[in-house]
Amino acid sequence: AQKVTQAQTEISVVEKEDVTLDCVYETRDTTYYLFWYKQPPSGELVFLIRRNSFDEQNEISGRYSWNFQKSTSSFNFTITASQVVDSAVYFCALRTLKNQGGKLIFGQGTELSVKP
Amino acid sequence: DTAVSQTPKYLVTQMGNDKSIKCEQNLGHDTMYWYKQDSKKFLKIMFSYNNKELIINETVPNRFSPKSPDKAHLNLHINSLELGDSAVYFCASSLGQGIANYGYTFGSGTRLTVV
Repeated sequence: AQKVTQAQTEISVVEKEDVTLDCVYETRDTTYYLFWYKQPPSGELVFLIRRNSFDEQNEISGRYSWNFQKSTSSFNFTITASQVVDSAVYFCALRTLKNQGGKLIFGQGTELSVKP
Repeated sequence: DTAVSQTPKYLVTQMGNDKSIKCEQNLGHDTMYWYKQDSKKFLKIMFSYNNKELIINETVPNRFSPKSPDKAHLNLHINSLELGDSAVYFCASSLGQGIANYGYTFGSGTRLTVV
């Protein structure tokens, strides 16, 4: 079975704090892709990053960084020096080559609230 | 230019009515999807079409009928609306059902409220 688990339902931090959003995935496929999406209060889904199963290099983009560890089946997302504009629901998602129709399997989402 | 556009953005209707949501993409993608986001924010796939052919139908009630007149359009028709159909419906597109390294491009969502 394929599954994505985001155990943190809600996180609240104060501006400028660092925060890590956890994502654990399950799949038996050897080739797969992991994604993070952001859903701000306005409701749209914004693509943040894609990572394939053969590339375990961590990635940094400004204040955002991602830590992919196949050994623990985790793809965690860290926001450094959080800002109020980071307040949103963040989704981790999985897609595999063998996935019927290429569907994205989403985690439950983590609602991040950054307070001034 | 909006890549994936959905209309309407908001839809309020009474129980028992029939309604449609339209989706169009101008990205040249060949696969389109409908996802439902419930009140707890959970996103679940409903349908997937590849080049007008139905690929995924995830145990969705028969009252929901997708229609894809061409690969750039995927509409969702809902008959006999029920209170439980209230949700946000997202359309999305991607390049190739088998090309997993591509993510989706999502529309902005349609918030359906059944009263």
